[in-house]
Amino acid sequence: AQKVTQAQTEISVVEKEDVTLDCVYETRDTTYYLFWYKQPPSGELVFLIRRNSFDEQNEISGRYSWNFQKSTSSFNFTITASQVVDSAVYFCALSEVSSGSARQLTFGSGTQLTVLP
Amino acid sequence: ETGVTQTPRHLVMGMTNKKSLKCEQHLGHNAMYWYKQSAKKPLELMFVYSLEERVENNSVPSRFSPECPNSSHLFLHLHTLQPEDSALYLCASSQVPGTSTDTQYFGPGTRLTVL
Repeated sequence: AQKVTQAQTEISVVEKEDVTLDCVYETRDTTYYLFWYKQPPSGELVFLIRRNSFDEQNEISGRYSWNFQKSTSSFNFTITASQVVDSAVYFCALSEVSSGSARQLTFGSGTQLTVLP
Repeated sequence: ETGVTQTPRHLVMGMTNKKSLKCEQHLGHNAMYWYKQSAKKPLELMFVYSLEERVENNSVPSRFSPECPNSSHLFLHLHTLQPEDSALYLCASSQVPGTSTDTQYFGPGTRLTVL
């Protein structure tokens, strides 16, 4: 069965600090997808990134970067020079290719990030 | 309107009421989902509609009844709910699951309170 663990329940940083959100996953599939979503106080889940299991290249998008390591089953997310607007709950999620036509997302429990001014 | 919209954004209902949540997607997708997000719990998938197929989480009580009249609209009919059903209900849409472009995009949610 697939599982996603976000061990950090809450993180607080001061503006301009860098912060890394951890995500560890479990799957028996060799082909799968990993995602990060952001949920601001308004409630909507905002899609940030999708990676497939064959692409271990790290990705950078502005102040955001992602480190995918299959050897440790981790897909960590770093925000550089954090801003108050980054305050939100961040979810990591996993989707297995073998789960069939109604492929499901398994979410972690989320990390509440608070960036203080 | 763009993306995924949900109405109402907030709903308060008694345990004997019947109400419906509505979701509409403007992304040209052909799969739609209902999720439940309770405090202190991971997001829980309730139902998936993909083309003609409906998949449901067997743990969802029968007091929740989905309806998907077409690929752009999704409803969740609620009746005789319990206080523990109070949660944020999120709708999402994607291309057909199982494809390389089936990233799910979410609506803003309906905050439901059952008294």
